[in-house]
Order: sequence, then structure tokens, then C-alpha cells
Amino acid sequence: QVQLQESGPGLVKPSQTLSLTCTVSGGSSSTDGHYWVWIRQRPGKGLECLGYISYSGSTYYHPSLESRLSISVDTSKNQFSLKLRSVTAADTAIYYCSLTTITTGWFDPWGQGTPVIVSS
Amino acid sequence: EIVLTQSPATLSVSPGERATLSCRASQTVSSNLAWYQQKPGQAPRLLIYGASTRATGIPARFSGSGSGTEFTLTISSLQSEDFAVYYCQQNNKWPLWTFGQGTKLEIK
Repeated sequence: QVQLQESGPGLVKPSQTLSLTCTVSGGSSSTDGHYWVWIRQRPGKGLECLGYISYSGSTYYHPSLESRLSISVDTSKNQFSLKLRSVTAADTAIYYCSLTTITTGWFDPWGQGTPVIVSS
Repeated sequence: EIVLTQSPATLSVSPGERATLSCRASQTVSSNLAWYQQKPGQAPRLLIYGASTRATGIPARFSGSGSGTEFTLTISSLQSEDFAVYYCQQNNKWPLWTFGQGTKLEIK
């Protein structure tokens, strides 16, 4: 079964770019119908879907982040990545990667999550 | 955006008793609703999808019901490992998924 593992720096300075990677095991990042999703959980806040990249490479970004967010996939490494530009303290959160499909729309499985602090 | 409102924010229940958690949608989501459990320091785990179908490996004491705008997650006999935060999530509008703000289930 698919397992996901996030990686990336835990500390990013304001105005810099946050880069995270999610490694897929037990499955392929190019599996037909799979959508690879990034979700975050800010302190004291709920869960927020940031965007996805599909098995075919199409992307979607939440409108509130569209100007700063990009998601890409490296099928040779079975990884997908997030880049969030011009970060502020408001981007401090636990970032999760997850999987959904066009026929479901729920998220399963999830990575363990990686905490990111934006601070100088 | 579809807003999901969960109630109560905190629910105190004794082990062995029944817990009932609610999720209300600001507009109909049909049966396109999922429930997740999150324990401290862990990622959310899918419990229920399609409003009432248990995910793989989820015990039968967890059940979901509802459709349209009103949904319920019921845990029939609380075990110690069930005390956690529970979130609902709608997947009716692809890809404008949204989550509720969560209900914390604590030991009474």
C-alpha cells in the first residue's frame, strides 16, 4: 500500500521560499487517477488544502495561494514537491502530503507531517 | 466555499459510553463527506467516507450517517484510544475541499 513521507527544512526565513518534498513508496506517482495533495495545519487552525498535482501533471492551487505556490512531480524519483514563495509567519504550519483520486475526493493515506516555522 | 461547522467544539465522555459528533455544511454536499481522527503528534487518519462507509481497518464502533447538510459521527462504546480530535471534510466540490474546525473528544 502507498506510504508517504515529507521532508524539508524545519525553519525558513521570512520572504524566502519554502521547499518540501513528499516521497511515495508502495506505489507510483504516475498511477492513473491519482492526485497528490499538499495540506497544512496552522497553529490553532484547522486543515487547509493547498493544492495538488495529478498523475498526468496537471495542477491546482488554492486561490489564496495561487500567486506563491507551485507543485511539481519527479516520477523518476517517485516524489512530488511544494514550493511556497515569499513566506511569512502566517505560513508557519505542519505540512502534510496525501493522496486522493478523481473518484473519491477524500485523503488517504497521509504522510506523518513536517513542521515548518517561518522566523528570522 | 462550503463551510463545515462542527459541534460541539469539545465533548467530554466517559470510556464505554457513546459519543455523537455533528458536522453541518453551509450548502448541500450530498453524501460527499468524510471523517478523520487526529491524535496528538500524528497525521489525520481517514475513518469514514461517503458519509457512512468505514475505511479499511476502522472498527465497527465507528459509524457515520447523514446526507445533504447534516452529518453525524457516532462512536458506540468509547475506548481509551478514541480520545482525539475529529474532523469532517467535504469533497462535493472538486477541488474546493474544505474541513470543519474539529471536535476534541476528551475523557470525562
